[in-house]
Amino acid sequence: GQQVMQIPQYQHVQEGEDFTTYCNSSTTLSNIQWYKQRPGGHPVFLIQLVKSGEVKKQKRLTFQFGEAKKNSSLHITATQTTDVGTYFCAPGGSQGNLIFGKGTKLSVKP
Amino acid sequence: NAGVTQTPKFQVLKTGQSMTLQCAQDMNHEYMSWYRQDPGMGLRLIHYSVGAGITDQGEVPNGYNVSRSTTEDFPLRLLSAAPSQTSVYFCASRKQGGMNTEAFFGQGTRLTVV
Repeated sequence: GQQVMQIPQYQHVQEGEDFTTYCNSSTTLSNIQWYKQRPGGHPVFLIQLVKSGEVKKQKRLTFQFGEAKKNSSLHITATQTTDVGTYFCAPGGSQGNLIFGKGTKLSVKP
Repeated sequence: NAGVTQTPKFQVLKTGQSMTLQCAQDMNHEYMSWYRQDPGMGLRLIHYSVGAGITDQGEVPNGYNVSRSTTEDFPLRLLSAAPSQTSVYFCASRKQGGMNTEAFFGQGTRLTVV
């Protein structure tokens, strides 16, 4: 599996502020997935990006895949307390070994 | 649909004890994996399997054994538990596909080794 660097490691925001987490790779990725893990919970799949420059939206969440397919971002507009958790990216591969980034832990102050 | 079921949810072991963490999925997924999660370290892959009878090592395999005798089950064995194996363990499964497919996770097993 391919390795990625995820930044920042932690982010504290005031409710209503925007939030962005980045996933960077030194090599070209075939695709990338994003997962969310609520505190005390298990990771849950959010989305998969496949195409260069692809942008997908899920309500207040916007996912982007870079033109060179070496980076990806997740942007949350106007955060809510329900957005609290850790967001992981996972670069794609044809093998069975799905490797995750270290995640960005988001806390939201009401 | 149960999805991915892990047992037990919590476990305390003494150093040197052995145990098996169970994982079962009912989605007929070919791929199954075990991860451990430690603070600040994210999800690290321990072992994975691409089908019955086939297993391979991940990033942190030392101290753990796996086997895959059926499509449904993928147990993780700790032969001689050490305090460094205190962690939360997640099992995941996903369907084999041309591109990566969505991974489904179990609820996790919180293991403490004293």
